[in-house]
Amino acid sequence: QSALTQPASVSGSPGQSITISCTGTSSDVGANNYVSWYQQHPGKAPKLMIYDVSNRPSGVSNRFSGSKSGNTASLTISGLQPEDEADYYCSSYTSITRVFGGGTKLTVL
Amino acid sequence: QVQLVQSGAEVKKPGSSVKVSCKASGGTFSSYAMSWVRQAPGQGLEWMGGIIPIIGTPNYAQKFQGRVTITADKSTSTAYMELSSLRYEDTAVYYCARDPVPPDFLDYWGQGTLVTVSS
Repeated sequence: QSALTQPASVSGSPGQSITISCTGTSSDVGANNYVSWYQQHPGKAPKLMIYDVSNRPSGVSNRFSGSKSGNTASLTISGLQPEDEADYYCSSYTSITRVFGGGTKLTVL
Repeated sequence: QVQLVQSGAEVKKPGSSVKVSCKASGGTFSSYAMSWVRQAPGQGLEWMGGIIPIIGTPNYAQKFQGRVTITADKSTSTAYMELSSLRYEDTAVYYCARDPVPPDFLDYWGQGTLVTVSS
């Protein structure tokens, strides 16, 4: 199964909003709502930010939101803060297989 | 509070095997699945496979079929990932991560175990 497609990098200024896309196929992203997003700071383990397309785990800021249309999922971060600078990965689970996106490096200018 | 604590860093020779452990605490081990994810230096996340301890049957990513073995010991709340026939390109940080049943998202992660393959 191929990796999901994410932009390699995005950037934004503090206070702005950015959106990271995650494109798959009808066999993964488009197949169900098992899309999740992870934040990873350098040298740290990934952290769950969004699950089931648009749900936030307890403790995750409401500045993070998720959506999906067809075979493309999106993560939006509003009111960018310096601590949001990190790598972000999307993931899809279907047919007992999990696949990740290639990752997007977010730079807060 | 759920915690996943992994075994320490390893240095292995090409062709050998490595076994990484992941001990869970603070939750009901058998009620969840456990996935293994690796990350090569400077690269992205790669799912290797997972297991539901209460069922015991693992499933593996096609890329690792035949080289990886994932097991779980319910008595000690510990999951294991063994990778054989190691190659230089297997040098990576290996993570365990908890998955609900049915598998959906990875909500808790171990701290990672660096495996270095070097002659």
